[in-house]
Amino acid sequence: GENVEQHPSTLSVQEGDSAVIKCTYSDSASNYFPWYKQELGKGPQLIIDIRSNVGEKKDQRIAVTLNKTAKHFSLHITETQPEDSAVYFCAAIEPPSNTGKLIFGQGTTLQVKP
Amino acid sequence: DAGVTQSPTHLIKTRGQQVTLRCSPKSGHDTVSWYQQALGQGPQFIFQYYEEEERQRGNFPDRFSGHQFPNYSSELNVNALLLGDSALYLCASKEQGRETQYFGPGTRLLVL
Repeated sequence: GENVEQHPSTLSVQEGDSAVIKCTYSDSASNYFPWYKQELGKGPQLIIDIRSNVGEKKDQRIAVTLNKTAKHFSLHITETQPEDSAVYFCAAIEPPSNTGKLIFGQGTTLQVKP
Repeated sequence: DAGVTQSPTHLIKTRGQQVTLRCSPKSGHDTVSWYQQALGQGPQFIFQYYEEEERQRGNFPDRFSGHQFPNYSSELNVNALLLGDSALYLCASKEQGRETQYFGPGTRLLVL
């Protein structure tokens, strides 16, 4: 089955700096990759997603890039703010995509220092 | 427009007991999935319900069962609770045929 590896496990940046989180997946047939932000005591919140027919997607300060050949995808957050501090999870949908079964990475704890 | 809701928010049980968790999907969604999130880990897929049937199952024992009602809401039942069942249980909903899933706030289960 699909396996997703995520790194780093923790990331500390200064406010205003950029943050990058990287994930790799194992099944080349995976075609949907969401990113979730989870704050303490809350459920995961979808922040951006990308499908395999697109190489990059951007939404304000957040962008995701996908390299299908290398089977890795990354989350980029620019101009970080203290409210960006949270745990971030990448995920890949296990093929076939109509199963709706998401396989998650282990998570990255992002700390943005004021 | 209400998002995914779950009840209760917290629950404490003892080993061997049974528990039922509830989920109401986001308006317009007909497919519900359940995930287990242990402390410090990513969510793990338990199963998915669509048209009141279990459509897909993860690597969880038969002690974990579920149900979906005609209004698309869902229940997760866990029998013969073990200490290792202590976790955050998350419900996610989506429209059938689409990939995007939205999560609820979760139910924190503690088994003593």
